[in-house]
Amino acid sequence: AQTVTQSQPEMSVQEAETVTLSCTYDTSENNYYLFWYKQPPSRQMILVIRQEAYKQQNATENRFSVNFQKAAKSFSLKISDSQLGDTAMYFCAFMKSSGAQKLVFGQGTRLTINP
Amino acid sequence: GAVVSQHPSWVICKSGTSVKIECRSLDFQATTMFWYRQFPKQSLMLMATSNEGSKATYEQGVEKDKFLINHASLTLSTLTVTSAHPEDSSFYICSARLTGGLNTGELFFGEGSRLTVL
Repeated sequence: AQTVTQSQPEMSVQEAETVTLSCTYDTSENNYYLFWYKQPPSRQMILVIRQEAYKQQNATENRFSVNFQKAAKSFSLKISDSQLGDTAMYFCAFMKSSGAQKLVFGQGTRLTINP
Repeated sequence: GAVVSQHPSWVICKSGTSVKIECRSLDFQATTMFWYRQFPKQSLMLMATSNEGSKATYEQGVEKDKFLINHASLTLSTLTVTSAHPEDSSFYICSARLTGGLNTGELFFGEGSRLTVL
């Protein structure tokens, strides 16, 4: 079974700073997807960024980028120039690329951006 | 992007009653939908996979007679919490996978439904 671990329950940074959220996972699969989801106070899950395991290039979406280390099974999220609207719970998630394709979530990291 | 809508967003019921939560894909067809449960300050736990036209697949430890799932059409899945008790109070979230097209692994989430059982 796959597991996802987020070792930082809470983080807090000042606006405009850069912050990195950690995520490690365990799987015996070779092909899979990794995701970072944001859950603001509204509780709506929002996809931040997606990485396909077969791609070596790290995914980037504007201020959000990942550091994907397949051998180390590590998938960290970097938020540059953080904004107040980035305050939310962030969940790292894993999905096999075939079969049932169920999302397995990490425990989450509560990120607070301070003015 | 694809939109998934849940209804109701918040429901309060008495202990012993049943509550139905709907999950609709508004602008796409979804053969597969997923139901999650989220306790306060915790992560999302997958309850079951809802398959259009067939029985749902429940995760280990989830009572299928307690949480009835029906996926009668390509745009609607329902979760019925039967004989609800206070311990069933939680936030229930659904997600849907786009049927057909390029498989990107992306799921689209509903807004969630908060159930409070008195």
